[in-house]
Amino acid sequence: GDSVTQMEGPVTLSEEAFLTINCTYTATGYPSLFWYVQYPGEGLQLLLKATKADDKGSNKGFEATYRKETTSFHLEKGSVQVSDSAVYFCALNAGNNRKLIWGLGTSLAVNP
Amino acid sequence: DAGVIQSPRHEVTEMGQEVTLRCKPISGHNSLFWYRQTMMRGLELLIYFNNNVPIDDSGMPEDRFSAKMPNASFSTLKIQPSEPRDSAVYFCASNPSTDTQYFGPGTRLTVL
Repeated sequence: GDSVTQMEGPVTLSEEAFLTINCTYTATGYPSLFWYVQYPGEGLQLLLKATKADDKGSNKGFEATYRKETTSFHLEKGSVQVSDSAVYFCALNAGNNRKLIWGLGTSLAVNP
Repeated sequence: DAGVIQSPRHEVTEMGQEVTLRCKPISGHNSLFWYRQTMMRGLELLIYFNNNVPIDDSGMPEDRFSAKMPNASFSTLKIQPSEPRDSAVYFCASNPSTDTQYFGPGTRLTVL
């Protein structure tokens, strides 16, 4: 079945460091891919998405490129801030229904 | 625009009591999702509705859990009787005719 695998956390970085959070997927067909972010004490919110191969989603300095050949959707940011400390979830939608398949989440802590 | 509204935000109850969680989706959204989040199991989809009809309840843990959506603007998740292992954060999410989900702030449930 469809699945999402993301790197385990926690990830701890210093402010202004480069961030990569790996995400790979298994799906039949051509899924849409998502990154959601959950700040402490809040619900998840969409960070970015990509709907077809080679699309790049971007928002708030974060980017992820839909790579069909490697079935990956890695999240990157060139210079993280303390305010980026959160849990990041990779997800996919591969079917006609609205259901998302979720990764387990990666916790990021950014120190000043 | 108001986002997804959940109530209560916090609930503390004793084992064996009935618990009812409430959700108001974003107006015009026709799909609604109930999730449970714990440290041990991560984010789990419990049930989702499309046009007020339950589509997939395979994630509902057992008969103690039930969910209803009597109209497009309201849904409940009920646990009866509650047990300590039900302690978690419960999220409601909705989406329009796309695959992007919009999450509420969650209800933190503690069963003593």
